[in-house]
This record gives sequence, structure tokens and C-alpha cells, in this order.
Amino acid sequence: AAGVIQSPRHLIKEKRETATLKCYPIPRHDTVYWYQQGPGQDPQFLISFYEKMQSDKGSIPDRFSAQQFSDYHSELNMSSLELGDSALYFCASSLGDWGLGNEQFFGPGTRLTVL
Amino acid sequence: KNEVEQSPQNLTAQEGEFITINCSYSVGISALHWLQQHPGGGIVSLFMLSSGKKKHGRLIATINIQEKHSSLHITASHPRDSAVYICAVPYNTDKLIFGTGTRLQVFP
Repeated sequence: AAGVIQSPRHLIKEKRETATLKCYPIPRHDTVYWYQQGPGQDPQFLISFYEKMQSDKGSIPDRFSAQQFSDYHSELNMSSLELGDSALYFCASSLGDWGLGNEQFFGPGTRLTVL
Repeated sequence: KNEVEQSPQNLTAQEGEFITINCSYSVGISALHWLQQHPGGGIVSLFMLSSGKKKHGRLIATINIQEKHSSLHITASHPRDSAVYICAVPYNTDKLIFGTGTRLQVFP
């Protein structure tokens, strides 16, 4: 069965550069969540989309933006990268609107290293 | 105080032992997730449950909604079960709030 795909799997950037992380949800899933997991930290919610509209926003810096496209894939754009942005970025997808406790399926993550 | 707390934080076991990981939460939820994260980093969803008990192979998850408590049990543990086990609850728009994880090491 198709799973959540994230690209790239690894990314190395310098400070002040920009990065774009991509997430391809499971086919027919219409909801995407982005999480950030710093070294030794719990994953933290960044932002989510349902049917191409932002549905919730967490502790996402203003330097970051994201969107969900018509094919339901999502991109997380990160600008003016800082050392503290080095983390594992997970995308998860689910089917249906929030409030239903829908199961989330996680991608393998993108490991971003900022030098 | 974290909204989701797990215990123990670290757990070592000998192969074959029965393992229990506990999770308590303080927010009202519709369901609770148990996740597994291996050293490589990938997260795998083990269970999502809203009541009672679920079983998958050697893994059993239980939840008591009234007491806001869930447990993950592993029977006949094996070294390949070594991983971080995370309890997570959906909140508000179903974004997940994660527990601090339990690092399990099973030795042969």
C-alpha cells in the first residue's frame, strides 16, 4: 500500500539559505500535518491543512510558510535558515475533517541540517 | 505539567519479558495514538484507539477514557522491539500532542 512520501530525505543547508520540504500524502487523504522534531525533543506541531486550506497553526516561525496544492501534496518553505532549524520534519496525512480523531499516517521524515 | 505524560522514560528488558508502558493525559480526546520511532527516525503508527483494547500481534493497547490513561503492552519482547514508543493525543483540530516517549531496549 502507498505510504506518505517526503522529499528530500536529507537536506544540508547553510545559515540564511532557504529550503523547501515536500510531502505527498496517501492517495485520497485530504489532510496534511507538519511536525518538527529537534534533537532529543518530542515532535511539535507546526501547521496543518484540510482540503487545501490551512486548518491550524502551531509554533511555526514567521520565516516558514506552507501550502497544500490541488493534488493534496504540501510544501513547507523555510527561509533565512538558522542553526536551530536543524531537525527532523515529519509530515502526516489523514482522511477527513478534524474532530473525528482520524488516524494519522507518518512519512519517513526529512532530516534538515543547517550549518 | 505536560498534557501527555509517559512512564517510564527508559526501560530495559531481557528478551521474552512482558513490557508495559503507561500514558496519562489531561485533555479531552476522541482517540489516542501509540507510535513507534526507530533510531533511524521514522515514525510508525501502532494503534489508534478510543475505547477498550486493541491487539496486533504481540502488541496490546488499552485505554480508560474516564481515567485518561492508556497502556501499551508487549508480550514476549524481542530485541527488534527496541525503539522509542510515543503516546500522542489529537487536540483541537486533531493536531497531535506527543508524550515524551519511552525508550525501550530489549537485550537477547
